[in-house]
Amino acid sequence: EVQLVESGGGLIQPGGSLRLSCAASGFTIGSKYMSWVRQAPGKGLEWVSVIYSGGSTYYAESVKGRFTISRDNTKNTVYLQMNSLRAEDTAVYYCAAPLSGGGFDPWGQGTLVTVSS
Amino acid sequence: DIQMTQSPSSLSASVGDRVTITCRASQSITNYLNWYQQKPGRAPKLLIYAASSLHTGVPSRFSGSGSGTDFTLTISSLQPEDFAAYYCQQTYSTVSTFGGGTKVEIK
Repeated sequence: EVQLVESGGGLIQPGGSLRLSCAASGFTIGSKYMSWVRQAPGKGLEWVSVIYSGGSTYYAESVKGRFTISRDNTKNTVYLQMNSLRAEDTAVYYCAAPLSGGGFDPWGQGTLVTVSS
Repeated sequence: DIQMTQSPSSLSASVGDRVTITCRASQSITNYLNWYQQKPGRAPKLLIYAASSLHTGVPSRFSGSGSGTDFTLTISSLQPEDFAAYYCQQTYSTVSTFGGGTKVEIK
């Protein structure tokens, strides 16, 4: 079964750091680009970042310079290092893989990050 | 970044109604447009990719059309399980973006 499982979320104070993990099973991430998408409470979806198979990375303006996406193909896992966290980063964070032909599928179940003092 | 404008932001409809949601891109994205359905507390589910291709297992009452900057998601006959939020997404650019969403509610 193709599956993504996120972990690493939790409660963190403003200015703090957190690293999210996304473990894939049922497929290898090595040849795919992998993305992170977030959703603040009661709000819509916001694309956050992507890492391509060659290692190129791109970020939304709202997180550029603070978040870093990386991948470990040997562990079949993608990471999102989040630094200098702000209250507005509070959201459920999803990782997603691309479907050949377009679109994201599968998605993980999401991990909640709460930035609050 | 490419801006995606979705309309309406919400709508009320009855079971059996035909529902249309539109999505407009701030520049041409050819057919790099996807549609998702999301229910409360759940991850989004892919419905349509490449503007008009139905994802595996998605009922045929869902359809997508459009190219360039203007796109449409149509539900031909709304079913009880279709009451949810819907989002468009462009993957034309390396920086992807989502529309603001459309909440489909029961009339």
